[in-house]
Amino acid sequence: GAVVSQHPSRVICKSGTSVKIECRSLDFQATTMFWYRQFPKQSLMLMATSNEGSKATYEQGVEKDKFLINHASLTLSTLTVTSAHPEDSSFYICSAREFGGGEEQFFGPGTRLTVL
Amino acid sequence: AQKVTQAQTEISVVEKEDVTLDCVYETRDTTYYLFWYKQPPSGELVFLIRRNSFDEQNEISGRYSWNFQKSTSSFNFTITASQVVDSAVYFCALSEVDSNYQLIWGAGTKLIIKP
Repeated sequence: GAVVSQHPSRVICKSGTSVKIECRSLDFQATTMFWYRQFPKQSLMLMATSNEGSKATYEQGVEKDKFLINHASLTLSTLTVTSAHPEDSSFYICSAREFGGGEEQFFGPGTRLTVL
Repeated sequence: AQKVTQAQTEISVVEKEDVTLDCVYETRDTTYYLFWYKQPPSGELVFLIRRNSFDEQNEISGRYSWNFQKSTSSFNFTITASQVVDSAVYFCALSEVDSNYQLIWGAGTKLIIKP
């Protein structure tokens, strides 16, 4: 089956620093990747949709300058949390959709970000 | 507007009991997909099932079964003879063709299976 990896799985950083999270599709080409954020005991919240080679589409209320998304290749998308603050601490999950894959999304294992 | 409701925030049962997790959805689309995912404490989402709007057949996979009823817009999930390893948060989700298959998530149901 299709595999999506995320790196790192866990990161702790100081307030004010930037953190980059990578999402890779290992055995398929992902024309579309999604980034979700999940606070404790809550559901997944879609942050943005990125299509390879074009700018990401952000959901309402998500700061595009705060959460930089790059989808430069068909197998890699990155989410950079700039100038992180404690309120950015969360579980970040990516998913990927294959070209022509329709409704099917494959999820990465998630990245737990803790900002001190 | 599309919406997924999982009214049960938390369910606690004793091992070997059967348990049903409810999911009610709203959509105007005629072509849509329904999903169930399991999220254990590790956080990684585990795909359980996908069902399209044209297939109302119930599905059984081992101890898991799903009841899809368009008449009541429900897609309920039953675990038979529950086990401690079934303890997790379970999410129901909806995607529609008209929304480019963006997933709409329910709030999740935390299932606790006590030994």
